[in-house]
Amino acid sequence: NAGVTQTPKFRILKIGQSMTLQCTQDMNHNYMYWYRQDPGMGLKLIYYSVGAGITDKGEVPNGYNVSRSTTEDFPLRLELAAPSQTSVYFCASSREAGLRETQYFGPGTRLLVL
Amino acid sequence: AQSVTQLDSQVPVFEEAPVELRCNYSSSVSVYLFWYVQYPNQGLQLLLKYLSGSTLVKGINGFEAEFNKSQTSFHLRKPSVHISDTAEYFCAVSPILTGGGNKLTFGTGTQLKVEL
Repeated sequence: NAGVTQTPKFRILKIGQSMTLQCTQDMNHNYMYWYRQDPGMGLKLIYYSVGAGITDKGEVPNGYNVSRSTTEDFPLRLELAAPSQTSVYFCASSREAGLRETQYFGPGTRLLVL
Repeated sequence: AQSVTQLDSQVPVFEEAPVELRCNYSSSVSVYLFWYVQYPNQGLQLLLKYLSGSTLVKGINGFEAEFNKSQTSFHLRKPSVHISDTAEYFCAVSPILTGGGNKLTFGTGTQLKVEL
């Protein structure tokens, strides 16, 4: 049981490039989330999904896109990378709605945009 | 909207000493409260959570936290820390909602450094 896995672990992008951060969970969780963590800051929610085919914006969605074609996968797409998107990105999942259900986090992807 | 304040960005402490990490929150609605720990180069792990009932919550690794509604606080404590407790600790809240919703608001984190 791997839990939540994220790839890549680290990536350097040039301004204007695009990339997809991958997130997969093997716990059959309905809910999945993407957060970003800037230095000295708490995590901020980018997007979340309540099930396959359903996504919604979080607190900081600008510059990102997501899709949820399967229960297991929740990729995050950066179309035109900007230096402001330099951050650590965490994917998380939970079984059901409501915070009685614990969110499980992946190990993160460190992104540097130059 | 909710906000979480962790006033201490860094807390140095000697091994076997007690520690308290402070967390205050602001919310116009009732909330659930959480503490997460992040070890170096790892994702966040849930330490403990308060949903309802007893205001003293016990978590993993000997940590506990007390919910104080009047002071809107949820401070994390451990009576005797170990070198392996060195990590970053995040307090988080979520509004109690019906019908779904699962959005955490995080504080800025407190770096706990345990020294020999």
